[in-house]
Order: sequence, then C-alpha cells, then structure tokens
Amino acid sequence: AQSVTQPDIHITVSEGASLELRCNYSYGATPYLFWYVQSPGQGLQLLLKYFSGDTLVQGIKGFEAEFKRSQSSFNLRKPSVHWSDAAEYFCAVARGKLQFGAGTQVVVTP
Amino acid sequence: DTAVSQTPKYLVTQMGNDKSIKCEQNLGHDTMYWYKQDSKKFLKIMFSYNNKELIINETVPNRFSPKSPDKAHLNLHINSLELGDSAVYFCASSSGGAAGNTIYFGEGSWLTVV
Repeated sequence: AQSVTQPDIHITVSEGASLELRCNYSYGATPYLFWYVQSPGQGLQLLLKYFSGDTLVQGIKGFEAEFKRSQSSFNLRKPSVHWSDAAEYFCAVARGKLQFGAGTQVVVTP
Repeated sequence: DTAVSQTPKYLVTQMGNDKSIKCEQNLGHDTMYWYKQDSKKFLKIMFSYNNKELIINETVPNRFSPKSPDKAHLNLHINSLELGDSAVYFCASSSGGAAGNTIYFGEGSWLTVV
C-alpha cells in the first residue's frame, strides 16, 4: 500500500539550533513531494515541493529539503530555527491524490 | 486577497443539526477539494471536484454532500451532525489534479458538535 511516514511525532529544538524532520514514502514510482506547515489555529502553508530535477529544494522561511530516491526520503531541514517555527509540519505525496503523513509537532525552546 | 476562503471559520452546533461550510477560490483553478483534520491532526481527503464534476469520494458517509455550483466554489453540507464530525475542515484548490500541481489550502473551518 502507498504510504507516507513521518517517524517523529514530536521534536523539541532550541532556538538557533538546526532542525531536521524526516519523511519516508512508499510508492511504486517517484511521487510528487511536498512539505506543508500549520501554525497553531491556522491553515496549511506550502513550504516547498519537489517534482523533478535538482534533489535539493529550497523553500520559504529558510527551509530546504532533500529528495533521496535510494532511501525513499524527503527530509526537511533548517539550519537555525526561530521561535516562530514552532508549528506542525506535514510531509505529503501526490500520485493521483495528495496524501499526508501524520505530522511532526515542533516545539522551540528559548 | 485571500486565495482560498472558507466560511465560517468556527462553528459550534448540536448533534442532529444540518450545517454547511462554504468555500471559494479566486485562483482560477479547476480542481477543488475538501480535507478533514481530526483531533490527532491527521489530514485526509474527503472529496475532489474538477470543473464541477466529482472525481474523488473517499468513502465519506452520505451525510456529507459536497456541491459545486461553479468551478470557483465547493460547498460542504453535513446532515444529522454527529459528535465524531467534530474536526477541522479544509477547502483547497489546484490547477489540475494533485499529481504535479500545488494544492493551496484555506484557513480551515473548526467544527465542534456538542
């Protein structure tokens, strides 16, 4: 069955530290890949996407993600987090329809 | 201007009532969606419409009836509301289907059934 896995339900990171959120997918072919962010009480905002080409993708708010076909992964990174990065992050894949992972909640401590 | 707008943002209602959530997009997209986010933040597609035609129906109870009067609008009507319907409902749109296109989401409608 096709699936999207975000292994980390919850991550706590200090402000200024680096952040990496993991995403793995299980599909027969390379899907279209997305990361969305949901701030508390807000809707979903697209951070970045990968369709093809360069496997390192730059997004908004200083985020980047790297597609690794051999690992079926699309991990999200940020070199230095800000308190405003505290939110829920969703990895999603599209093959016919957009399917979301369970999300990773990021807490930023001072 | 908000690209995908949905109303109301918050809705508290009693079990058994019928309610509607409206959605409009001004992006010129031809595909619109409804997603449900449950209490554990899990997001799942409910419906997808392309040019007013239903193309995805993810085994949602018949009490949920989407209606698309034109390609810029996709409303969600819910009959006989149940406690389990409490969730956040997101409207979204894209130009073409989900594969290879970016889906833009509205701000969400927080539905609480008491």
